[in-house]
Amino acid sequence: QQQVKQSPQSLIVQKGGISIINCAYENTAFDYFPWYQQFPGKGPALLIAIRPDVSEKKEGRFTISFNKSAKQFSLHIMDSQPGDSATYFCAAAISGNTPLVFGKGTRLSVIA
Amino acid sequence: NAGVTQTPKFQVLKTGQSMTLQCAQDMNHNSMYWYRQDPGMGLRLIYYSASEGTTDKGEVPNGYNVSRLNKREFSLRLESAAPSQTSVYFCASSEAGVGGDETQYFGPGTRLLVL
Repeated sequence: QQQVKQSPQSLIVQKGGISIINCAYENTAFDYFPWYQQFPGKGPALLIAIRPDVSEKKEGRFTISFNKSAKQFSLHIMDSQPGDSATYFCAAAISGNTPLVFGKGTRLSVIA
Repeated sequence: NAGVTQTPKFQVLKTGQSMTLQCAQDMNHNSMYWYRQDPGMGLRLIYYSASEGTTDKGEVPNGYNVSRLNKREFSLRLESAAPSQTSVYFCASSEAGVGGDETQYFGPGTRLLVL
C-alpha cells in the first residue's frame, strides 16, 4: 500500500519557468511533510519541510503548498534553473514516531 | 564532521554470496535507517533503528539483517545475495524522537550488483 503518491514521474521545464510537483497522502495522522532533492550519484538531502499548522512555506525559490482537507501538498520551484535538475522526493511521517514514507520521486530536467 | 559515511562505495557479488554494508554517523543521532533505491520505486525502507539497542523492520526487510553496533554504527547484512537485491543502498540518520529534528541525513550510497 503506497501511502504517499507523487506525480508526475518526470518533468521538463524551460529555464525561468515554474516547476510543480504534487503529492497526496492517505494517513491523516501524518504531521511532517519534507521534500528531498537528489543529484545523480549522491544521497538525498532535505530541501524544505512543512507541518500542517501552516498552508504555505517559502524558502528562496522553493515553496511548499499544503492542503490538509485534500490531503495534498506540492512543491513549486520558481524561476527554475538548470542547476535545479535533480530527482525530488516528497515524504511524510508522524513526528517523533514513525520513519519517513517517501513518494516514488520526480525527475526534473530544466532546459535552457 | 563527515556526516554519514558508507562502505563500500561499490560491490559486485555472485548469487549466494554474503556481505555486510557498513554505515557510521558522527552527529550523535539517535535514529538510523537503511533504504534501497531502485528505478521508478523511490526510496524503500529496509530496516531502521530508533535508538541504540533497537531495530525494526521497514517495508522490504526480507533477505536482510541489521545490527546497531553502537550509537554511531548501523550495518546491513545480506546473508545469501540474490539478483533482486541489485540496488543502490542508502544509510541515513536523524535526531528524531519527540521534539527532535526530523531531518534525515543520507550517506553517499553503496551500489550493489548481484550476478
